[in-house]
Amino acid sequence: QQQVKQSPQSLIVQKGGISIINCAYENTAFDYFPWYQQFPGKGPALLIAIRPDVSEKKEGRFTISFNKSAKQFSLHIMDSQPGDSATYFCAASIYNFGNEKLTFGTGTRLTIIP
Amino acid sequence: GAVVSQHPSRVICKSGTSVKIECRSLDFQATTMFWYRQFPKQSLMLMATSNEGSKATYEQGVEKDKFLINHASLTLSTLTVTSAHPEDSSFYICSARLTTGAQETQYFGPGTRLLVL
Repeated sequence: QQQVKQSPQSLIVQKGGISIINCAYENTAFDYFPWYQQFPGKGPALLIAIRPDVSEKKEGRFTISFNKSAKQFSLHIMDSQPGDSATYFCAASIYNFGNEKLTFGTGTRLTIIP
Repeated sequence: GAVVSQHPSRVICKSGTSVKIECRSLDFQATTMFWYRQFPKQSLMLMATSNEGSKATYEQGVEKDKFLINHASLTLSTLTVTSAHPEDSSFYICSARLTTGAQETQYFGPGTRLLVL
Protein backbone atom coordinates (compact mmCIF):
# COMPACT_ATOMS: atom_id res chain seq x y z
CA GLN A 1 0.00 0.00 0.00
CA GLN A 2 1.45 3.30 -1.14
CA GLN A 3 1.24 5.58 1.86
CA VAL A 4 2.78 8.61 0.15
CA LYS A 5 1.63 9.45 -3.35
CA GLN A 6 3.76 11.81 -5.41
CA SER A 7 3.01 13.64 -8.65
CA PRO A 8 3.91 14.32 -11.34
CA GLN A 9 6.21 11.47 -12.29
CA SER A 10 8.20 13.80 -14.50
CA LEU A 11 8.25 17.55 -14.96
CA ILE A 12 9.86 19.88 -17.47
CA VAL A 13 10.18 23.54 -16.53
CA GLN A 14 11.81 26.41 -18.30
CA LYS A 15 14.74 28.14 -16.65
CA GLY A 16 13.52 30.83 -14.30
CA GLY A 17 10.11 29.24 -13.87
CA ILE A 18 8.50 27.69 -10.81
CA SER A 19 8.66 23.93 -10.35
CA ILE A 20 5.89 22.41 -8.25
CA ILE A 21 5.82 18.84 -6.98
CA ASN A 22 2.94 17.48 -4.94
CA CYS A 23 2.60 14.74 -2.37
CA ALA A 24 -0.35 13.30 -0.50
CA TYR A 25 -0.28 11.01 2.47
CA GLU A 26 -2.74 8.70 4.17
CA ASN A 27 -1.37 8.06 7.64
CA THR A 28 -2.46 10.90 9.91
CA ALA A 29 0.22 9.87 12.41
CA PHE A 30 2.93 11.19 10.08
CA ASP A 31 4.40 14.34 11.54
CA TYR A 32 7.66 14.94 9.72
CA PHE A 33 7.83 15.62 5.99
CA PRO A 34 11.25 15.97 4.33
CA TRP A 35 12.10 16.44 0.68
CA TYR A 36 15.18 14.83 -0.82
CA GLN A 37 17.07 15.66 -4.02
CA GLN A 38 18.88 12.89 -5.84
CA PHE A 39 21.28 13.20 -8.76
CA PRO A 40 21.97 10.17 -10.98
CA GLY A 41 24.26 7.65 -9.32
CA LYS A 42 24.21 9.48 -6.00
CA GLY A 43 22.39 9.08 -2.71
CA PRO A 44 19.53 11.39 -1.77
CA ALA A 45 20.38 14.67 -0.08
CA LEU A 46 18.05 16.36 2.39
CA LEU A 47 16.70 19.53 0.84
CA ILE A 48 14.12 20.90 3.24
CA ALA A 49 11.70 19.50 5.80
CA ILE A 50 8.56 20.59 7.60
CA ARG A 51 6.52 19.62 10.60
CA PRO A 52 2.72 19.98 10.55
CA ASP A 53 2.59 22.78 13.09
CA VAL A 54 3.42 25.25 10.30
CA SER A 55 1.81 25.68 6.89
CA GLU A 56 4.87 26.86 5.02
CA LYS A 57 8.63 26.76 5.27
CA LYS A 58 11.03 28.58 3.00
CA GLU A 59 14.74 28.08 2.54
CA GLY A 60 16.24 30.10 -0.27
CA ARG A 61 14.50 29.18 -3.52
CA PHE A 62 12.82 26.14 -1.97
CA THR A 63 9.45 26.31 -0.21
CA ILE A 64 7.31 23.59 1.33
CA SER A 65 3.58 24.25 1.55
CA PHE A 66 1.67 22.02 3.96
CA ASN A 67 -2.08 21.44 4.15
CA LYS A 68 -2.84 19.30 7.18
CA SER A 69 -6.59 19.02 6.60
CA ALA A 70 -6.08 17.85 3.03
CA LYS A 71 -3.12 15.66 3.99
CA GLN A 72 -1.05 17.19 1.22
CA PHE A 73 2.28 18.94 0.95
CA SER A 74 4.20 20.35 -1.95
CA LEU A 75 7.63 21.56 -2.93
CA HIS A 76 8.01 24.81 -4.85
CA ILE A 77 11.29 25.65 -6.53
CA MET A 78 11.41 29.30 -7.48
CA ASP A 79 13.60 30.63 -10.30
CA SER A 80 14.38 27.06 -11.39
CA GLN A 81 17.88 26.52 -12.74
CA PRO A 82 19.42 23.78 -14.91
CA GLY A 83 21.38 22.64 -11.83
CA ASP A 84 18.07 21.81 -10.18
CA SER A 85 17.54 19.03 -12.71
CA ALA A 86 17.36 15.91 -10.53
CA THR A 87 14.90 13.46 -9.07
CA TYR A 88 12.98 14.72 -6.06
CA PHE A 89 11.45 12.48 -3.41
CA CYS A 90 9.00 13.49 -0.76
CA ALA A 91 8.90 11.41 2.38
CA ALA A 92 7.04 11.13 5.64
CA SER A 93 7.69 9.66 9.02
CA ILE A 94 6.48 9.61 12.57
CA TYR A 95 8.86 12.04 14.23
CA ASN A 96 9.68 10.25 17.46
CA PHE A 97 12.69 8.81 19.19
CA GLY A 98 12.81 5.10 18.56
CA ASN A 99 11.77 3.50 15.31
CA GLU A 100 11.46 6.42 12.94
CA LYS A 101 11.25 5.11 9.39
CA LEU A 102 10.90 7.18 6.26
CA THR A 103 8.20 6.32 3.77
CA PHE A 104 9.17 7.69 0.38
CA GLY A 105 7.06 8.90 -2.49
CA THR A 106 7.64 7.50 -5.95
CA GLY A 107 9.84 10.37 -7.11
CA THR A 108 9.62 13.18 -9.66
CA ARG A 109 12.20 13.56 -12.38
CA LEU A 110 12.63 17.31 -12.87
CA THR A 111 14.27 18.73 -15.98
CA ILE A 112 14.99 22.42 -16.29
CA ILE A 113 15.43 23.55 -19.88
CA PRO A 114 17.23 26.74 -20.94
CA GLY B 1 26.19 19.02 7.20
CA ALA B 2 26.58 15.47 8.41
CA VAL B 3 28.50 13.18 6.08
CA VAL B 4 27.86 9.52 5.40
CA SER B 5 30.18 7.47 3.24
CA GLN B 6 29.78 4.10 1.57
CA HIS B 7 32.37 1.69 0.28
CA PRO B 8 32.68 0.47 -2.34
CA SER B 9 30.85 2.82 -4.66
CA ARG B 10 30.60 0.14 -7.30
CA VAL B 11 31.17 -3.60 -7.26
CA ILE B 12 30.90 -6.34 -9.83
CA CYS B 13 30.89 -9.92 -8.63
CA LYS B 14 30.21 -13.41 -9.88
CA SER B 15 27.01 -15.21 -9.04
CA GLY B 16 27.31 -17.17 -5.81
CA THR B 17 29.86 -14.94 -4.14
CA SER B 18 29.28 -12.65 -1.17
CA VAL B 19 29.70 -8.90 -1.18
CA LYS B 20 30.16 -6.62 1.80
CA ILE B 21 29.14 -2.96 1.70
CA GLU B 22 30.26 -0.54 4.41
CA CYS B 23 28.37 2.51 5.64
CA ARG B 24 30.15 5.03 7.83
CA SER B 25 29.01 8.20 9.54
CA LEU B 26 32.11 10.37 9.29
CA ASP B 27 31.44 13.22 11.66
CA PHE B 28 28.74 12.00 13.99
CA GLN B 29 27.72 8.92 15.89
CA ALA B 30 24.68 7.01 14.74
CA THR B 31 22.99 4.43 16.91
CA THR B 32 20.62 3.76 14.04
CA MET B 33 21.40 3.28 10.38
CA PHE B 34 19.09 2.21 7.59
CA TRP B 35 19.67 0.18 4.44
CA TYR B 36 17.69 0.83 1.29
CA ARG B 37 17.54 -0.68 -2.14
CA GLN B 38 16.71 1.32 -5.24
CA PHE B 39 15.94 -0.04 -8.69
CA PRO B 40 16.42 2.18 -11.75
CA LYS B 41 13.98 5.06 -11.88
CA GLN B 42 12.20 3.83 -8.78
CA SER B 43 11.87 4.97 -5.22
CA LEU B 44 13.89 3.84 -2.23
CA MET B 45 12.69 0.69 -0.53
CA LEU B 46 13.69 0.22 3.08
CA MET B 47 15.34 -3.15 3.62
CA ALA B 48 16.27 -3.02 7.28
CA THR B 49 16.98 -0.87 10.29
CA SER B 50 20.39 -1.39 11.84
CA ASN B 51 20.83 -0.66 15.53
CA GLU B 52 24.26 -0.49 17.15
CA GLY B 53 24.88 -3.45 19.41
CA SER B 54 21.70 -5.31 18.57
CA LYS B 55 20.09 -7.32 15.81
CA ALA B 56 18.81 -5.54 12.74
CA THR B 57 15.10 -5.23 12.08
CA TYR B 58 14.17 -6.39 8.60
CA GLU B 59 11.23 -5.22 6.53
CA GLN B 60 8.66 -7.70 5.37
CA GLY B 61 9.89 -9.75 2.43
CA VAL B 62 13.59 -9.10 3.01
CA GLU B 63 15.58 -12.28 3.70
CA LYS B 64 17.68 -11.71 6.78
CA ASP B 65 19.91 -14.69 6.01
CA LYS B 66 20.68 -13.31 2.58
CA PHE B 67 21.23 -9.70 3.60
CA LEU B 68 23.37 -9.82 6.72
CA ILE B 69 23.64 -6.59 8.65
CA ASN B 70 26.16 -5.81 11.33
CA HIS B 71 26.30 -2.54 13.28
CA ALA B 72 29.38 -3.07 15.39
CA SER B 73 30.12 0.55 16.26
CA LEU B 74 28.42 3.93 16.41
CA THR B 75 29.94 4.91 13.07
CA LEU B 76 29.89 1.72 11.02
CA SER B 77 27.22 -0.59 9.67
CA THR B 78 27.84 -3.29 7.08
CA LEU B 79 25.53 -5.05 4.67
CA THR B 80 26.67 -8.39 3.30
CA VAL B 81 24.84 -9.81 0.33
CA THR B 82 25.42 -13.53 0.63
CA SER B 83 25.43 -15.90 -2.34
CA ALA B 84 24.60 -13.03 -4.66
CA HIS B 85 22.56 -13.68 -7.79
CA PRO B 86 21.83 -11.44 -10.80
CA GLU B 87 18.47 -10.43 -9.33
CA ASP B 88 20.36 -8.87 -6.41
CA SER B 89 21.89 -6.35 -8.80
CA SER B 90 20.72 -2.96 -7.60
CA PHE B 91 21.71 0.34 -6.03
CA TYR B 92 22.12 -0.03 -2.28
CA ILE B 93 21.96 3.10 -0.16
CA CYS B 94 22.49 3.50 3.55
CA SER B 95 21.48 6.34 5.80
CA ALA B 96 22.47 7.30 9.32
CA ARG B 97 20.20 8.99 11.78
CA LEU B 98 21.55 12.06 13.52
CA THR B 99 19.78 13.07 16.69
CA THR B 100 20.31 16.67 17.78
CA GLY B 101 18.25 17.59 20.79
CA ALA B 102 14.67 16.86 19.80
CA GLN B 103 15.42 16.70 16.10
CA GLU B 104 16.17 13.56 14.12
CA THR B 105 17.44 13.65 10.54
CA GLN B 106 18.48 10.89 8.17
CA TYR B 107 21.59 11.56 6.12
CA PHE B 108 22.22 9.32 3.15
CA GLY B 109 25.37 7.82 1.77
CA PRO B 110 26.29 8.08 -1.92
CA GLY B 111 25.14 4.56 -2.66
CA THR B 112 26.78 1.36 -3.88
CA ARG B 113 25.96 -0.06 -7.27
CA LEU B 114 26.09 -3.85 -7.25
CA LEU B 115 26.21 -5.84 -10.45
CA VAL B 116 26.08 -9.61 -10.16
CA LEU B 117 27.11 -11.48 -13.28
